[in-house]
Amino acid sequence: AQSVSQHNHHVILSEAASLELGCNYSYGGTVNLFWYVQYPGQHLQLLLKYFSGDPLVKGIKGFEAEFIKSKFSFNLRKPSVQWSDTAEYFCAVTPYAGNMLTFGGGTRLMVKP
Amino acid sequence: NAGVTQTPKFRILKIGQSMTLQCAQDMNHNYMYWYRQDPGMGLKLIYYSVGAGITDKGEVPNGYNVSRSTTEDFPLRLELAAPSQTSVYFCATSQRTSGYTDTQYFGPGTRLTVL
Repeated sequence: AQSVSQHNHHVILSEAASLELGCNYSYGGTVNLFWYVQYPGQHLQLLLKYFSGDPLVKGIKGFEAEFIKSKFSFNLRKPSVQWSDTAEYFCAVTPYAGNMLTFGGGTRLMVKP
Repeated sequence: NAGVTQTPKFRILKIGQSMTLQCAQDMNHNYMYWYRQDPGMGLKLIYYSVGAGITDKGEVPNGYNVSRSTTEDFPLRLELAAPSQTSVYFCATSQRTSGYTDTQYFGPGTRLTVL
């Protein structure tokens, strides 16, 4: 079975700082990868996803993630965070063409104004 | 479109009580899922359904039951509530065709406390 690790449980940044959240997965085959965000009091929303092709994927609100197959990683980045990016971020993986997502434990991001 | 709706938003149960968490969708998606979210643990799949009349267990099904009589609704039943079932429950849907994974869309969640 696959597993997902998000090593940073809590991250605190000042506005305009750059962000990188780590995500590593364990699975031997081809995967589909997702980043979801949960803003305070709201439900999970899709930030971006990787299915195939260019390993650098761009999502909403200026986020991007890079799939590095050799490192089993799918790190999330944003060059300049805003206070409104305060949220919990979840990485998730499913085997290619699979239907069962496995989630990481989440990273709580707090951006100080 | 409402998307994925869940009721109730909050509920407190006593040990041994039963309840049903409701999930409804208006996106005509074939797949529906129930997850629970525990602090620091991410989301874990409880049950899922590939269409009306078809359900299957996920990673943590014990203590729960589901049914799917229509495309739109996927209720989750707790028969004998236990403190270990204190969690936030999320319903999700996706439109999945053979050999292709698609994005899951989540409801707002139900926060359940069992005392």
